[in-house]
Amino acid sequence: EVQLVESGGGLVQPGRSLKLSCLASGFTFSNYGMNWIRQAPGKGLEWVASISSSSSYIYYADTVKGRFTISRDNAKNTLYLQMTSLRSEDTALYYCARRGYFDFWGPGTMVTVSS
Amino acid sequence: DIQMTQSPASLSASLEEIVTITCQASQDIGNWLSWYQQKPGKSPQLLIYGATSLADGVPSRFSGSRSGTQYSLKISRLQVEDIGIYYCLQAYSAPPTFGGGTKLELK
Repeated sequence: EVQLVESGGGLVQPGRSLKLSCLASGFTFSNYGMNWIRQAPGKGLEWVASISSSSSYIYYADTVKGRFTISRDNAKNTLYLQMTSLRSEDTALYYCARRGYFDFWGPGTMVTVSS
Repeated sequence: DIQMTQSPASLSASLEEIVTITCQASQDIGNWLSWYQQKPGKSPQLLIYGATSLADGVPSRFSGSRSGTQYSLKISRLQVEDIGIYYCLQAYSAPPTFGGGTKLELK
């Protein structure tokens, strides 16, 4: 059974950093591209970043480019999102999702940016 | 960026009714269109990929279609468990973009 479990969310002050993790199981993690998508409270879905299976290709939304870094450790079956210079508008539930058309999603981890 | 215009924003329908939700792409995206269902407090679940292919485990009352750059999700006989918010996604070109969502409620 494919499982994705995000962690690392929490309350953080504006300007600070946070690192999210997504632990994958039930499939060969190293064979799949992965993604981060976020959802602000009561709002729709916003793609954040994508990384190819071997980390050769990485893409970011303009809203996070230069502040967020997506990475992965295939030996640990884990996807990461390093978030720096956090803003209030980054407050959201952050999901990881598998492959180019997001066939499986984790339950999400909440990030709240507030002083 | 490719814009996905989803309609309607909200929809109220009766049990067993046929429901249709549409997404209009701002340019050609081929069949790179997926549909998701999000129930309250849950993460989105893939329903349709490749515009018309049913994801594993999804009831056959769900179907997807394409006409040019307009894509539709049809629920043939609405069930109570179908209540939620539906999103389309284009994955033809970066950045992937979602429609604004359709909130489906029971009448």
